[in-house]
Amino acid sequence: AQSVTQPDIHITVSEGASLELRCNYSYGATPYLFWYVQSPGQGLQLLLKYFSGDTLVQGIKGFEAEFKRSQSSFNLRKPSVHWSDAAEYFCAVGRRGNQFYFGTGTSLTVIP
Amino acid sequence: NAGVTQTPKFQVLKTGQSMTLQCAQDMNHEYMSWYRQDPGMGLRLIHYSVGAGITDQGEVPNGYNVSRSTTEDFPLRLLSAAPSQTSVYFCASGFDSYQPQHFGDGTRLSIL
Repeated sequence: AQSVTQPDIHITVSEGASLELRCNYSYGATPYLFWYVQSPGQGLQLLLKYFSGDTLVQGIKGFEAEFKRSQSSFNLRKPSVHWSDAAEYFCAVGRRGNQFYFGTGTSLTVIP
Repeated sequence: NAGVTQTPKFQVLKTGQSMTLQCAQDMNHEYMSWYRQDPGMGLRLIHYSVGAGITDQGEVPNGYNVSRSTTEDFPLRLLSAAPSQTSVYFCASGFDSYQPQHFGDGTRLSIL
């Protein structure tokens, strides 16, 4: 069975501060991992993906994520958060057949 | 450049009514999926399709029916709506088995 855990339901950071959102996965094979962002009332937008190779992947909007097999983690980071980054963030693992399994999400609030 | 289009955006039903949520994509993607999003539970896979004429169940298929007669369309049917099906429904498509999914903007469904 596969699962994705996002331990932080809600995070608040100050604008300009660094950000790290945690994601742990449970999957028997080599994982295909993704981070998506959802703004209120919108669909999901892909931030970045990891398939194989370099364990540090770069995404859009200045986000990056690091895959750590030993910790079964795929944490999302951003060096300096902007007010427009306030949204809900979802980690997901992809399975054969384009099946995606999502974590429960982390809601990010950015304070000025 | 429409991408994934879901209709309607909002719908209110009475218990026991039936309805079809429409999903269409113009990217010639083979893979399509339906998810429901509930507070604190992330997105859960309802049904998915790996090509025209081929569908399969996801995590939470009960109470929902799908078919895929064309590459472009993947409707989701509620045969007899129940209050537990009140949710936001997302349709997504992908061009390859492990590639990222593109999401529609969702249908917000309330069942009284």
